[in-house]
Amino acid sequence: GDSVTQMEGPVTLSEEAFLTINCTYTATGYPSLFWYVQYPGEGLQLLLKATKADDKGSNKGFEATYRKETTSFHLEKGSVQVSDSAVYFCALTRAGGYNKLIFGAGTRLAVHP
Amino acid sequence: ETGVTQSPTHLIKTRGQQVTLRCSSQSGHNTVSWYQQALGQGPQFIFQYYREEENGRGNFPPRFSGLQFPNYSSELNVNALELDDSALYLCASSFPSGEGETQYFGPGTRLLVL
Repeated sequence: GDSVTQMEGPVTLSEEAFLTINCTYTATGYPSLFWYVQYPGEGLQLLLKATKADDKGSNKGFEATYRKETTSFHLEKGSVQVSDSAVYFCALTRAGGYNKLIFGAGTRLAVHP
Repeated sequence: ETGVTQSPTHLIKTRGQQVTLRCSSQSGHNTVSWYQQALGQGPQFIFQYYREEENGRGNFPPRFSGLQFPNYSSELNVNALELDDSALYLCASSFPSGEGETQYFGPGTRLLVL
């Protein structure tokens, strides 16, 4: 079945460091891909998304490119801030049918001053 | 514009009891999805309601049931609670828009089963 695999955390970085969180997926057809962020004690917020191959989603300095050939959607940010500390979830929805989100296990990011 | 709201925020129940969780969808959204997030894991899809009908269901037993009302708010009911039902329950609302439809999440209800 469809699935999402994320790199295990926690990822610990110093402020202004470069961030990459790896995400790969298994799905039939052409899924839509998402990154959601969960701050402590809160629900999920959409960070960015991409709906077709080679699309780049971007928001708040974060970027991810839909790579069909490597079935990947890695999250990157050039310079992280302490306020970026959160859990990041990669997710997909299958093309067609109802839009059920399938999530990865999440990657915790801790940014230190 | 009001976002997705959920109630209660926290709940403690004992094994065997029943619980009802509530969700108000974002204005203009007619689809509500429910997810269960166990500690340290990603959310798992429970079911989705579209215009008051169940539109899809994940791998959860029948003791997980739901409703959607004419104003598109929704309830999640869990009967015969088990210890493993302890989790954060998330509600998300959306409006059908094809590929890449965005689901907007509420803050969740944290359920503890003792």
